[in-house]
Amino acid sequence: DAGVIQSPRHEVTEMGQEVTLRCKPISGHDYLFWYRQTMMRGLELLIYFNNNVPIDDSGMPEDRFSAKMPNASFSTLKIQPSEPRDSAVYFCASSLTGFLRSPLHFGNGTRLTVT
Amino acid sequence: GQQLNQSPQSMFIQEGEDVSMNCTSSSIFNTWLWYKQDPGEGPVLLIALYKAGELTSNGRLTAQFGITRKDSFLNISASIPSDVGIYFCAGQSRGGSQGNLIFGKGTKLSVKP
Repeated sequence: DAGVIQSPRHEVTEMGQEVTLRCKPISGHDYLFWYRQTMMRGLELLIYFNNNVPIDDSGMPEDRFSAKMPNASFSTLKIQPSEPRDSAVYFCASSLTGFLRSPLHFGNGTRLTVT
Repeated sequence: GQQLNQSPQSMFIQEGEDVSMNCTSSSIFNTWLWYKQDPGEGPVLLIALYKAGELTSNGRLTAQFGITRKDSFLNISASIPSDVGIYFCAGQSRGGSQGNLIFGKGTKLSVKP
């Protein structure tokens, strides 16, 4: 079991540039979650998918953020245009079901720095 | 909105000491979870609690779901250097969905050999 795979591990970009973060969930997991982690706000849920369909995107901060899941093994989180306040660690997680008795498995995150 | 207060924010302890940290919520929770995040990695689930009063152990770790359903604590006995990391509580007060889970801001644990 390779776990949840995220890429890149680190991304440094200039303000105004487009950023795309990628995630491969654990095979067979029906749920995929995107979280953002900052010192000030901790871990925040941005959006989650069930069977590739977005279920709740109320945590997406602005229209600059978008997420897609074209198939069961791949998801992207895009920020366009990026701003310095988007600097954070972005985590993808997957779970077998959407219920709390089915643990969340997190990837190792993408550390984004926007200058 | 719902808030989770986790304390302490950080702890510096000597190897071998016991550790205690806790979380309190502004509302009644149905589930409490405790995660650990090692440096450069994502959080990993340590213990899950689903009933008020429940006491669960995982090796040297013990966690309890408070009777009031508004708090939970995590104890680590006889700490070792690999216990270093950030410990997060997480809880959920409505529904049973992962989408309703909220996280505390973490307790950063440092262990001096």
